[in-house]
Amino acid sequence: SAVISQKPSRDICQRGTSLTIQCQVDSQVTMMFWYRQQPGQSLTLIATANQGSEATYESGFVIDKFPISRPNLTFSTLTVSNMSPEDSSIYLCSVEDRYRVSQETQYFGPGTRLLVL
Amino acid sequence: RKEVEQDPGPFNVPEGATVAFNCTYSNSASQSFFWYRQDCRKEPKLLMSVYSSGNEDGRFTAQLNRASQYISLLIRDSKLSDSATYLCVVNRGGYNKLIFGAGTRLAVHP
Repeated sequence: SAVISQKPSRDICQRGTSLTIQCQVDSQVTMMFWYRQQPGQSLTLIATANQGSEATYESGFVIDKFPISRPNLTFSTLTVSNMSPEDSSIYLCSVEDRYRVSQETQYFGPGTRLLVL
Repeated sequence: RKEVEQDPGPFNVPEGATVAFNCTYSNSASQSFFWYRQDCRKEPKLLMSVYSSGNEDGRFTAQLNRASQYISLLIRDSKLSDSATYLCVVNRGGYNKLIFGAGTRLAVHP
């Protein structure tokens, strides 16, 4: 499977600031996704990062709060804007690699642990 | 009602035990099904896909019942290293979107 890295691995931020999380894959992949996992809960999809076009957001998530870029087939960023303590969570990037795997299998990066004070 | 529901857990079992996890999903158009494993403070990792005919991978057996919209995972001869949270995952029929269950925590003790 593809090797996925995320930066930063963790951060502590002040409310009102923004943080950009990077996701890098070691090979070209068809789909990239961003998830949030709040403490003690399961994963919730934030958006699908589309290469060369605007991301597709899930209900409850908006572009102004979570702008996403995907300039090519191996890289994406998620920005958490105007942060509040409620944004404290783990943010995970995942990829779907239809070039090598026929089924809709997703592989996850190691996650970014965010604490907002 | 949640789209994917799992046994609440936690399951505390001795080494060598057999343990079964159940999962139901609400979207009858779902096509792909998976079990992921998530260790504490780690990312989810794919354990196995679930096929209509059922499939086995070593000590792990997954079953799918489309009529009942039910998925199961059986772990035989539990090891200490099996301790983790097991996530039932279903695609949202026709879209590249995975829906995760809340997970069932397994603790295997000596």
